[in-house]
Amino acid sequence: DAGVTQSPTHLIKTRGQHVTLRCSPISGHKSVSWYQQVLGQGPQFIFQYYEKEERGRGNFPDRFSARQFPNYSSELNVNALLLGDSALYLCASSRAPGQVFAGTGEQYFGPGTRLTVT
Amino acid sequence: QKEVEQDPGPLSVPEGAIVSLNCTYSNSAFQYFMWYRQYSRKGPELLMYTYSSGNKEDGRFTAQVDKSSKYISLFIRDSQPSDSATYLCASGNQFYFGTGTSLTVIP
Repeated sequence: DAGVTQSPTHLIKTRGQHVTLRCSPISGHKSVSWYQQVLGQGPQFIFQYYEKEERGRGNFPDRFSARQFPNYSSELNVNALLLGDSALYLCASSRAPGQVFAGTGEQYFGPGTRLTVT
Repeated sequence: QKEVEQDPGPLSVPEGAIVSLNCTYSNSAFQYFMWYRQYSRKGPELLMYTYSSGNKEDGRFTAQVDKSSKYISLFIRDSQPSDSATYLCASGNQFYFGTGTSLTVIP
C-alpha cells in the first residue's frame, strides 16, 4: 500500500508570494494533519481535518489555511510568504482523530515538502 | 513554557551502548506519550507509544513515563549504527513535539 504522499518535494518561492502544498493520505484514512518543521526543531501543529471539517488549529497566523477534499486529500495554502515560513511541511494521516492507543489516532507522516522562501 | 521539552543533543555513542533519551512535559492532563524516529530527509515514523505511567518494551527499545515528575524516557539497548536518527517525543491531542535529539551510533 502507498504511504502518505506529498507534492511537490521541494519548492522555492519569493517573499510575498502564495504557495499551495498537497497531501494524499493512506487509503482508508479520513483525517489529515499538517505540521511545520523548522530546521533543528520538532514539528509544530498547524491544522487537523477530518471528514472535510477543521478539527484543530495551531498557533499560526491567518495567512495559513487548509482544506480537505471529498477524497480526503488535502491542501495547505500559505499567503504573503515570509522568510520565516521556510521549513519542511509535513502531512500526516490517520484513520480518525483520536488517541493513539485506541488504534485510530496513530499518525503516519509523509516525506514532507521543503519550502524555501527567498 | 513549551508543552514538551527535549534536550536537542547531539548525542554520539559507540555501537552497543545503552542510549537514554529524555523529555519533560508541562500539561498534567496528557495521558499518552509517543516516540518518533526521523531519518534525514524523511518524515517522522512512530516508534512506540505509552499510555499513562509505566514502562513499555519493544525489542531493544523501552519507553518509560513518570507522571509524578512529568518525565518521559526512551532507552535503546545494544545500539546499532542504523539507530542513527533524530528521536522526537510527543504528547497531547494535537501532538506537541519536542525539539528532537540527534543520535549518532558510531560503529
